[in-house]
Amino acid sequence: GENVEQHPSTLSVQEGDSAVIKCTYSDSASNYFPWYKQELGKGPQLIIDIRSNVGEKKDQRIAVTLNKTAKHFSLHITETQPEDSAVYFCAAGYSGAGSYQLTFGKGTKLSVIP
Amino acid sequence: EAEVAQSPRYKITEKSQAVAFWCDPISGHATLYWYRQILGQGPELLVQFQDESVVDDSQLPKDRFSAERLKGVDSTLKIQPAELGDSAMYLCASSSGADTQYFGPGTRLTVL
Repeated sequence: GENVEQHPSTLSVQEGDSAVIKCTYSDSASNYFPWYKQELGKGPQLIIDIRSNVGEKKDQRIAVTLNKTAKHFSLHITETQPEDSAVYFCAAGYSGAGSYQLTFGKGTKLSVIP
Repeated sequence: EAEVAQSPRYKITEKSQAVAFWCDPISGHATLYWYRQILGQGPELLVQFQDESVVDDSQLPKDRFSAERLKGVDSTLKIQPAELGDSAMYLCASSSGADTQYFGPGTRLTVL
């Protein structure tokens, strides 16, 4: 089955700096890579996703890059703000039976220091 | 904006008791997922439904866990009997085809 490794497990940055979280996956069949943000006591919320036919996607301060050859993808957050503090999860998925099955990384706890 | 609803939000039970969690997916979403999230880890899939049919329950501990989605809308996940190691957050998610999975707020289970 799929295995997703995520690094670092914790990350502290000063407000305004950039944050980068990296993930690797094992199954070359995976073709969908979402990133979720989870705040304390809440369910994960999708912040950005990328499919295997593109190498990079950007949405305001958030960007994701994908290297299918190396089987790794990364989340980049620029101009970090205190409200970006949360746990971030990467996931890798493949489409089966008309839907995606996701395997999640163990998460990165991001702390943005004002 | 439509959301996935789950209840209860918190459940405390003693080991060997039965517990049940309920999920109401976003209207029109045919695919429903139950995940278990142990503290400090990512969600792990327990069972996936397509309408009322189970697509994948290979990670569901079937000796004590059961899940149903009788009318293809809302779903119930049951644990009987609960064990100490079942303490976790149980998350429900839904999607429309090969699209984004939207998660509910989860049920935090504590087994004493």
